[in-house]
Order: sequence, then C-alpha cells, then structure tokens
Amino acid sequence: GESVGLHLPTLSVQEGDNSIINCAYSNSASDYFIWYKQESGKGPQFIIDIRSNMDKRQGQRVTVLLNKTVKHLSLQIAATQPGDSAVYFCAETSGANNLFFGTGTRLTVIP
Amino acid sequence: NAGVTQTPKFQVLKTGQSMTLQCAQDMNHEYMSWYRQDPGMGLRLIHYSVGAGITDQGEVPNGYNVSRSTTEDFPLRLLSAAPSQTSVYFCASSLGGHVPLNTEAFFGQGTRLTVV
Repeated sequence: GESVGLHLPTLSVQEGDNSIINCAYSNSASDYFIWYKQESGKGPQFIIDIRSNMDKRQGQRVTVLLNKTVKHLSLQIAATQPGDSAVYFCAETSGANNLFFGTGTRLTVIP
Repeated sequence: NAGVTQTPKFQVLKTGQSMTLQCAQDMNHEYMSWYRQDPGMGLRLIHYSVGAGITDQGEVPNGYNVSRSTTEDFPLRLLSAAPSQTSVYFCASSLGGHVPLNTEAFFGQGTRLTVV
C-alpha cells in the first residue's frame, strides 16, 4: 500500500522564525500533493498544492518544495505567527480520487 | 454560504446500534467524500461520490454505507456500530475530483463518534 509519513510529529518555533515541516511519500506514481492545516476542533483547511511537474510553489507566506528523486515534500512557513499553530498534514494522490494523508505534524508557535 | 455542514458534532453509540452521520454542502460541488481520522493514522477515505447517484469505495469502506440522492447531501450510515469505528469523521466536498482539476476540498467541522 501507499504510505505518506512525516519525519517529525511535533515542531516548536519562536514567533517570527521560519518553520519547515517535512513529509515523505512512498508512491513514485504520485503526481499531486496538498498541504492541509487543521486547527483544534476543526476540519482540515487547504493551504497549498503542487503538481509533480513542479519542484516549488509559493503562496502567501508559504512555500511547498517537492523533491521527486527522494520522494520528499516540505512546507515552509515564513515569519511564523501564533495563528499558525495547528497540525499540518501532507496528502498525495496518484490520479485516482483517493487522497492519502500523512499522520500530521503539530506546529506550536512560541510567542 | 454555510460551506460543508456535518451533524451531529458528537455521538455516543452502543455496539450494534445504527446511525447516520449527515453531511450537506451548499456550494453545488459535485465531489463529496467521507474520511475518518484516528490518532497516528491521518485521514483515511471511507467512501466518495463524484455526483448525484454515483458512489464508490475508498480505502476503508467496510462497515459503512453511503448514498447520494442529491448534489447537496451525502449521508454516511453505520449499520451495526463497532468499537473499532470510534473515530472523528470528516465530510469534504470539492468542485471536481482531486485529479485532474486539482480543486480544493472543503472539510466540515467533524463528528466525534464513540462506540462503547
């Protein structure tokens, strides 16, 4: 089966610092990747996505990097704010309608 | 727009009981899906629907039934609840499937189900 995992289950950063959340995937056929943010008691919220024909995509304060060679995905958050504290999930799909989610990383921003 | 609305938010069932988790969206999205979220497991797809009248199984469909009689509603039924179905359930909708449209999925607030 497919597996999507995260290197670190928890991450604490100082407010204003940059955050990097990592994700590894095992299916080399995966061609679409998404990062979700989930705050306590809420459903996942879309942050940014990237297709396999790209290696970098930027949004507002967020950047996703994709390294297909080592099957690694990362989410960079610039100038991390207290409101960024949440659990972050990566998800991937290989062309079907099934999204495979990682187990999540809890980001805690220290004021 | 209310987005994706799930009811109830919390539910406790006894083993063997049946119940329906409701999901409704008002965004005229074709694609709807149900996930369960367990500690250390991420979200896993239970069932999904690409349009009214069409449903299909996801990664963990056993013990669950779905139907899609309207675009707006996508209820999830537990026919005979088991403790292994204790989880947080999320309904999601999107304009199209994840591939090739890459359309954003909107999630509901979740239903926390405990089966004792």
